[in-house]
Amino acid sequence: DTEVTQTPKHLVMGMTNKKSLKCEQHMGHRAMYWYKQKAKKPPELMFVYSYEKLSINESVPSRFSPECPNSSLLNLHLHALQPEDSALYLCASSYRGGDYNEQFFGPGTRLTVL
Amino acid sequence: SQQGEEDPQALSIQEGENATMNCSYKTSINNLQWYRQNSGRGLVHLILIRSNEREKHSGRLRVTLDTSKKSSSLLITASRAADTASYFCATANTDKLIFGTGTRLQVFP
Repeated sequence: DTEVTQTPKHLVMGMTNKKSLKCEQHMGHRAMYWYKQKAKKPPELMFVYSYEKLSINESVPSRFSPECPNSSLLNLHLHALQPEDSALYLCASSYRGGDYNEQFFGPGTRLTVL
Repeated sequence: SQQGEEDPQALSIQEGENATMNCSYKTSINNLQWYRQNSGRGLVHLILIRSNEREKHSGRLRVTLDTSKKSSSLLITASRAADTASYFCATANTDKLIFGTGTRLQVFP
């Protein structure tokens, strides 16, 4: 199994809702990442988990809350989002943390905040 | 925190032609990677070139790296309509990747 899966594919939520994005990989990778991508822009790193511990938070607002329950799963909990948070949210994993390895990306969750 | 600048921003060619994309970056790197993204989908890793390498090949892809100029290029030879996508360079320095601005490639049949 060499893929990263993400659910849901699409999500529409209001500014008062609470929702979660899920990401899963079964490649034995020990580093997992959340990226945010706006239209026609490159992905921007949000969080990095290395060996199930949060190692990087790129000054992301607290309305985004990551969670890594185990080495295969990564969640992103969303609460009180703003319309400008609408974007494609990408999950990725790599064999280990550090900058030497390629990252495997999931297909993304297209989020719309009304 | 955007690291790389890519040019051109957009490129349109006919099938069979070669496509060249360039990436410039600002700080020292351990490696540079190229990724492809089909419209609205996830990214796919294409090739990784380390800072002590100057050129690397993978199938129809050729990547060069010039650390003195802080630049890299990606050449796709004999392009196909299926190569239509956005291409991003990504520099690896500490423990994260920083993506360039991207080149949107359109290959017409």
